[in-house]
Amino acid sequence: GAVVSQHPSWVICKSGTSVKIECRSLDFQATTMFWYRQFPKQSLMLMATSNEGSKATYEQGVEKDKFLINHASLTLSTLTVTSAHPEDSSFYICSARSIREGMGEQYFGPGTRLTVT
Amino acid sequence: QQPVQSPQAVILREGEDAVINCSSSKALYSVHWYRQKHGEAPVFLMILLKGGEQKGHEKISASFNEKKQQSSLYLTASQLSYSGTYFCGTEQSSNYQLIWGAGTKLIIKP
Repeated sequence: GAVVSQHPSWVICKSGTSVKIECRSLDFQATTMFWYRQFPKQSLMLMATSNEGSKATYEQGVEKDKFLINHASLTLSTLTVTSAHPEDSSFYICSARSIREGMGEQYFGPGTRLTVT
Repeated sequence: QQPVQSPQAVILREGEDAVINCSSSKALYSVHWYRQKHGEAPVFLMILLKGGEQKGHEKISASFNEKKQQSSLYLTASQLSYSGTYFCGTEQSSNYQLIWGAGTKLIIKP
C-alpha cells in the first residue's frame, strides 16, 4: 500500500513554455501533499504544502505565480511550472500523507526530471 | 533550521555496521528517516516521536534522544542493497512539514 505516482517521469521543454506535473496517491487518500525540488547531490527543498480544497502554502523564496499548485481532490495534486527557464531544470518530487490516523509519514512519488532548453 | 547529519559519507564492506547521526538545535516533535537511491525518490524507513524511543526494522534500527534533539540510525551487518543516501527529516510541530538534513551517502562494497 501507500503508492504515489508522478507523471511524467521526465520532460524536456523549451524555455518560455509551461509544464504540468501530476502527483497521485493510488491506494490512499491524501489530506496533505508536499512538493519538493532536488538539485544533484543535494537535499530535498520543500517548495509548498498543499491541502485538498485550499490554497497551497509556499515556502519563502518560492514564487507562487511561477509554480502553480492545485490540489483538486484527495488523490491528485498538480504542479505547473509556468514560463519555464533553464534555471527551473531540476528533479521535482511530490509526497503525500495519508488521511488515516498515522504518524505523519510521507510517501514519495518517483519524481519528475524537468529539463528546460 | 536544517538538521546536521554526520558523517557526510561512509564506505563499508558488506557485513559491517554503520551509524548515521542527525542533530537539531531546535526542539523536535519527531524524526523521520528515509533512504534514497540515485535517480529515485526517497523511501520511508521509520519515524521516531518525541518522548524518546527506539525502533527496529530488520537490521535497521534507530533511536531518538529528545533531550539532546538527536537521532541515530543503526545499520547492522550491512547488505549491498543498503547503499544510497540517507536523509533525516525533522518535524518541529505536528504540522507534517519536514526539514531535511543534507544527507549521508552510504556505499557498501562486496
